[in-house]
Amino acid sequence: GAVVSQHPSRVICKSGTSVKIECRSLDFQATTMFWYRQFPKQSLMLMATSNEGSKATYEQGVEKDKFLINHASLTLSTLTVTSAHPEDSSFYICSASPGASSYEQYFGPGTRLTVT
Amino acid sequence: EDKVVQSPLSLVVHEGDTVTLNCSYEVTNFRSLLWYKQEKKAPTFLFMLTSSGIEKKSGRLSSILDKKELSSILNITATQTGDSAIYLCAVGGSGTYKYIFGTGTRLKVLA
Repeated sequence: GAVVSQHPSRVICKSGTSVKIECRSLDFQATTMFWYRQFPKQSLMLMATSNEGSKATYEQGVEKDKFLINHASLTLSTLTVTSAHPEDSSFYICSASPGASSYEQYFGPGTRLTVT
Repeated sequence: EDKVVQSPLSLVVHEGDTVTLNCSYEVTNFRSLLWYKQEKKAPTFLFMLTSSGIEKKSGRLSSILDKKELSSILNITATQTGDSAIYLCAVGGSGTYKYIFGTGTRLKVLA
């Protein structure tokens, strides 16, 4: 149990284009999902908290207009990187929490984004 | 400001050795601490700790929380090359499902 999927696993896009990354909880309902960014040899940096049916909460320094998050259902959250630039190239990982009384958090396999 | 510090940053041992990884935290209204193992992709869940002094164990891995010292340790006995990974500690406070991650400990186990 507690499987989280992410799609795509790798994406290469050109500067100025937008890229959408999907995060799905496959065998549980996730009231809360999280989006992280990880640079090489660094830890996970929380970008935003995505709550089903409401607006995402962004961490300080993360541009909400650049990183659009939509949590349309209890099993799906999407992150759209708009007008991507090479500095947006990174490893993006989502995680999902069943919520309620469970504070465990399960990670998706991550998406490697390369902006050329 | 809430923070999580892990030590050592990196560690190289030989197969069969026992290692102890540390995680210290300063978090408002501590709720739980999570340990993860990260190899090439996303982190895989190891343990969740909420109560002081209760050891969680899974095979050769074990972990314990000390709320008085605001810290946790992760022990790995009889290490194997497959234990080579980054071990991440994350701490969450009450009132939120959000976790703050430490920088991780990079463990390399040599054959």
